[in-house]
Amino acid sequence: QVQLQESGPGLVKPSETLSLTCAVSGYSISNGYYWGWIRQPPGKGLEWIGSIYHSGSTYYNPSLKSRVTISVDTSKNQFSLKLSSVTAADTAVYYCARQGLMWGQGTLVTVSS
Amino acid sequence: EIVLTQSPGTLSLSPGERATLSCRASQSVSSSYLAWCQQKPGQAPRLLIYGASTRATGIPDRFSGSGSGTDFTLTISRLEPEDFAVYYCQQYGSSLTFGQGTRLEIK
Repeated sequence: QVQLQESGPGLVKPSETLSLTCAVSGYSISNGYYWGWIRQPPGKGLEWIGSIYHSGSTYYNPSLKSRVTISVDTSKNQFSLKLSSVTAADTAVYYCARQGLMWGQGTLVTVSS
Repeated sequence: EIVLTQSPGTLSLSPGERATLSCRASQSVSSSYLAWCQQKPGQAPRLLIYGASTRATGIPDRFSGSGSGTDFTLTISRLEPEDFAVYYCQQYGSSLTFGQGTRLEIK
Protein backbone atom coordinates (compact mmCIF):
# COMPACT_ATOMS: atom_id res chain seq x y z
CA GLN A 1 0.00 0.00 0.00
CA VAL A 2 1.48 3.32 -1.08
CA GLN A 3 1.64 5.96 1.62
CA LEU A 4 2.92 9.53 1.60
CA GLN A 5 3.79 11.43 4.77
CA GLU A 6 4.67 15.11 5.01
CA SER A 7 7.00 16.43 7.68
CA GLY A 8 8.51 19.77 8.59
CA PRO A 9 8.08 22.81 10.82
CA GLY A 10 4.55 23.94 11.50
CA LEU A 11 5.59 27.55 12.07
CA VAL A 12 7.82 29.66 9.84
CA LYS A 13 8.73 33.31 10.25
CA PRO A 14 7.99 35.85 7.52
CA SER A 15 10.80 36.23 4.95
CA GLU A 16 12.25 32.83 5.87
CA THR A 17 12.22 29.60 3.86
CA LEU A 18 9.56 26.94 4.32
CA SER A 19 10.98 23.42 4.05
CA LEU A 20 8.94 20.23 3.89
CA THR A 21 9.74 16.62 3.12
CA CYS A 22 7.46 13.87 1.81
CA ALA A 23 8.44 10.32 2.71
CA VAL A 24 7.03 7.67 0.39
CA SER A 25 6.49 4.07 1.43
CA GLY A 26 5.15 1.10 -0.49
CA TYR A 27 6.43 2.35 -3.85
CA SER A 28 9.83 3.34 -5.17
CA ILE A 29 9.97 6.89 -6.52
CA SER A 30 12.54 5.63 -9.02
CA ASN A 31 9.86 3.52 -10.71
CA GLY A 32 8.11 6.55 -12.14
CA TYR A 33 5.21 9.00 -11.73
CA TYR A 34 5.30 12.70 -11.05
CA TRP A 35 5.56 13.62 -7.37
CA GLY A 36 4.20 16.95 -6.35
CA TRP A 37 3.19 19.50 -3.78
CA ILE A 38 -0.22 21.12 -3.43
CA ARG A 39 -1.40 23.61 -0.85
CA GLN A 40 -4.72 24.78 0.51
CA PRO A 41 -5.04 28.06 2.43
CA PRO A 42 -7.60 27.93 5.25
CA GLY A 43 -11.12 27.89 3.82
CA LYS A 44 -9.92 28.05 0.22
CA GLY A 45 -9.34 25.75 -2.73
CA LEU A 46 -6.39 23.67 -3.90
CA GLU A 47 -3.31 25.22 -5.51
CA TRP A 48 -0.62 23.22 -7.28
CA ILE A 49 2.88 24.29 -6.28
CA GLY A 50 5.06 22.05 -8.42
CA SER A 51 6.06 18.52 -9.36
CA ILE A 52 9.18 16.47 -9.93
CA TYR A 53 9.80 13.34 -11.97
CA HIS A 54 12.03 10.60 -10.63
CA SER A 55 14.69 11.69 -13.11
CA GLY A 56 14.78 15.08 -11.42
CA SER A 57 12.88 17.08 -14.04
CA THR A 58 10.85 19.78 -12.31
CA TYR A 59 7.66 21.63 -13.17
CA TYR A 60 6.51 24.66 -11.20
CA ASN A 61 3.40 26.81 -10.96
CA PRO A 62 4.37 30.00 -12.81
CA SER A 63 2.94 32.12 -10.00
CA LEU A 64 5.33 30.56 -7.46
CA LYS A 65 8.25 29.56 -9.68
CA SER A 66 10.64 32.26 -8.51
CA ARG A 67 10.38 31.05 -4.89
CA VAL A 68 10.03 27.27 -5.23
CA THR A 69 12.55 24.45 -5.34
CA ILE A 70 11.51 20.80 -5.40
CA SER A 71 14.10 18.05 -5.15
CA VAL A 72 14.11 14.28 -4.92
CA ASP A 73 16.28 11.86 -2.95
CA THR A 74 15.72 8.42 -4.44
CA SER A 75 18.09 6.80 -1.92
CA LYS A 76 15.74 7.84 0.89
CA ASN A 77 12.62 7.51 -1.27
CA GLN A 78 11.52 11.03 -0.47
CA PHE A 79 11.10 14.40 -2.11
CA SER A 80 11.23 17.90 -0.69
CA LEU A 81 9.81 21.40 -1.06
CA LYS A 82 11.51 24.70 -0.34
CA LEU A 83 9.52 27.92 -0.58
CA SER A 84 11.52 31.06 0.04
CA SER A 85 10.60 34.55 1.26
CA VAL A 86 7.33 33.41 2.80
CA THR A 87 4.56 35.75 3.90
CA ALA A 88 1.28 35.25 5.73
CA ALA A 89 -0.30 34.44 2.35
CA ASP A 90 1.72 31.21 2.33
CA THR A 91 -0.09 29.93 5.40
CA ALA A 92 -1.81 26.74 4.28
CA VAL A 93 -2.13 23.00 4.60
CA TYR A 94 0.59 21.55 2.40
CA TYR A 95 0.00 18.18 0.75
CA CYS A 96 2.38 15.93 -1.12
CA ALA A 97 0.90 13.67 -3.77
CA ARG A 98 1.73 11.12 -6.42
CA GLN A 99 0.56 12.40 -9.79
CA GLY A 100 -2.07 14.43 -7.91
CA LEU A 101 -4.02 11.23 -7.39
CA MET A 102 -2.65 9.74 -4.19
CA TRP A 103 -2.27 12.19 -1.31
CA GLY A 104 -0.54 12.51 2.00
CA GLN A 105 -2.59 13.60 5.00
CA GLY A 106 -1.26 17.16 4.81
CA THR A 107 0.56 19.39 7.24
CA LEU A 108 -0.44 22.87 8.36
CA VAL A 109 2.25 25.50 7.98
CA THR A 110 1.63 28.88 9.58
CA VAL A 111 3.72 31.90 8.65
CA SER A 112 3.90 34.23 11.61
CA SER A 113 6.47 36.05 13.70
CA GLU B 1 -2.56 27.19 -18.93
CA ILE B 2 -5.78 25.22 -18.64
CA VAL B 3 -8.47 26.73 -16.43
CA LEU B 4 -11.11 24.41 -14.96
CA THR B 5 -14.48 25.94 -14.06
CA GLN B 6 -16.87 23.95 -11.90
CA SER B 7 -20.60 24.47 -11.62
CA PRO B 8 -22.61 24.97 -9.61
CA GLY B 9 -20.59 26.51 -6.80
CA THR B 10 -22.99 25.03 -4.26
CA LEU B 11 -25.52 22.25 -4.76
CA SER B 12 -28.25 21.67 -2.19
CA LEU B 13 -29.85 18.23 -2.35
CA SER B 14 -31.41 15.63 -0.10
CA PRO B 15 -30.17 12.10 0.60
CA GLY B 16 -31.44 9.71 -2.05
CA GLU B 17 -31.39 12.36 -4.79
CA ARG B 18 -29.14 12.41 -7.83
CA ALA B 19 -26.27 14.89 -8.01
CA THR B 20 -24.75 16.16 -11.23
CA LEU B 21 -21.55 18.21 -11.01
CA SER B 22 -19.97 19.90 -14.01
CA CYS B 23 -16.37 20.73 -14.89
CA ARG B 24 -15.56 22.78 -17.97
CA ALA B 25 -12.02 23.29 -19.27
CA SER B 26 -10.75 26.38 -21.10
CA GLN B 27 -9.13 24.09 -23.66
CA SER B 28 -9.33 20.42 -24.50
CA VAL B 29 -8.13 18.04 -21.79
CA SER B 30 -7.08 14.50 -22.52
CA SER B 31 -9.64 12.25 -20.87
CA SER B 32 -6.77 10.18 -19.60
CA TYR B 33 -5.79 13.02 -17.30
CA LEU B 34 -9.04 14.26 -15.79
CA ALA B 35 -9.90 13.29 -12.22
CA TRP B 36 -12.44 14.02 -9.52
CA CYS B 37 -11.76 14.06 -5.81
CA GLN B 38 -13.82 14.53 -2.68
CA GLN B 39 -12.77 16.52 0.35
CA LYS B 40 -14.40 16.54 3.76
CA PRO B 41 -13.55 19.10 6.47
CA GLY B 42 -10.16 18.52 8.04
CA GLN B 43 -9.30 15.72 5.62
CA ALA B 44 -7.06 15.35 2.61
CA PRO B 45 -8.71 15.05 -0.79
CA ARG B 46 -9.76 11.53 -1.69
CA LEU B 47 -9.57 10.31 -5.28
CA LEU B 48 -12.92 9.21 -6.70
CA ILE B 49 -12.47 9.08 -10.46
CA TYR B 50 -9.44 9.16 -12.76
CA GLY B 51 -9.13 8.97 -16.50
CA ALA B 52 -12.47 10.83 -16.60
CA SER B 53 -14.52 7.69 -15.93
CA THR B 54 -12.56 5.06 -13.97
CA ARG B 55 -13.51 4.66 -10.33
CA ALA B 56 -10.62 4.53 -7.90
CA THR B 57 -10.18 1.51 -5.65
CA GLY B 58 -12.94 1.20 -3.06
CA ILE B 59 -15.19 3.89 -4.53
CA PRO B 60 -18.88 2.89 -4.58
CA ASP B 61 -20.54 2.47 -7.96
CA ARG B 62 -23.01 5.27 -7.23
CA PHE B 63 -20.15 7.57 -8.30
CA SER B 64 -19.61 7.84 -12.05
CA GLY B 65 -17.64 10.14 -14.31
CA SER B 66 -18.15 11.01 -17.95
CA GLY B 67 -17.19 13.51 -20.59
CA SER B 68 -14.43 14.40 -23.00
CA GLY B 69 -12.73 17.39 -24.56
CA THR B 70 -13.76 20.38 -22.49
CA ASP B 71 -16.86 19.12 -20.66
CA PHE B 72 -16.80 16.59 -17.86
CA THR B 73 -19.42 15.43 -15.36
CA LEU B 74 -19.42 13.68 -12.01
CA THR B 75 -22.70 11.98 -11.17
CA ILE B 76 -23.70 10.57 -7.80
CA SER B 77 -26.73 8.41 -8.49
CA ARG B 78 -28.28 8.29 -5.02
CA LEU B 79 -26.81 10.53 -2.36
CA GLU B 80 -25.80 8.99 0.93
CA PRO B 81 -25.29 11.15 4.05
CA GLU B 82 -21.50 10.70 3.80
CA ASP B 83 -21.44 12.14 0.26
CA PHE B 84 -22.01 15.72 1.39
CA ALA B 85 -18.61 17.33 0.91
CA VAL B 86 -16.63 19.49 -1.51
CA TYR B 87 -15.78 18.03 -4.91
CA TYR B 88 -12.89 19.11 -7.12
CA CYS B 89 -12.12 18.26 -10.70
CA GLN B 90 -8.46 18.27 -11.65
CA GLN B 91 -6.26 17.88 -14.67
CA TYR B 92 -3.10 15.96 -13.90
CA GLY B 93 0.19 15.05 -15.48
CA SER B 94 3.47 16.88 -15.17
CA SER B 95 1.43 19.82 -13.87
CA LEU B 96 -1.86 19.96 -12.00
CA THR B 97 -4.85 22.25 -12.36
CA PHE B 98 -7.83 22.26 -10.03
CA GLY B 99 -11.33 23.58 -10.39
CA GLN B 100 -12.57 25.90 -7.68
CA GLY B 101 -14.77 23.18 -6.18
CA THR B 102 -18.47 22.40 -5.81
CA ARG B 103 -19.88 22.27 -2.31
CA LEU B 104 -22.56 19.60 -2.00
CA GLU B 105 -24.72 20.40 0.99
CA ILE B 106 -27.74 18.81 2.61
CA LYS B 107 -31.00 20.51 1.70
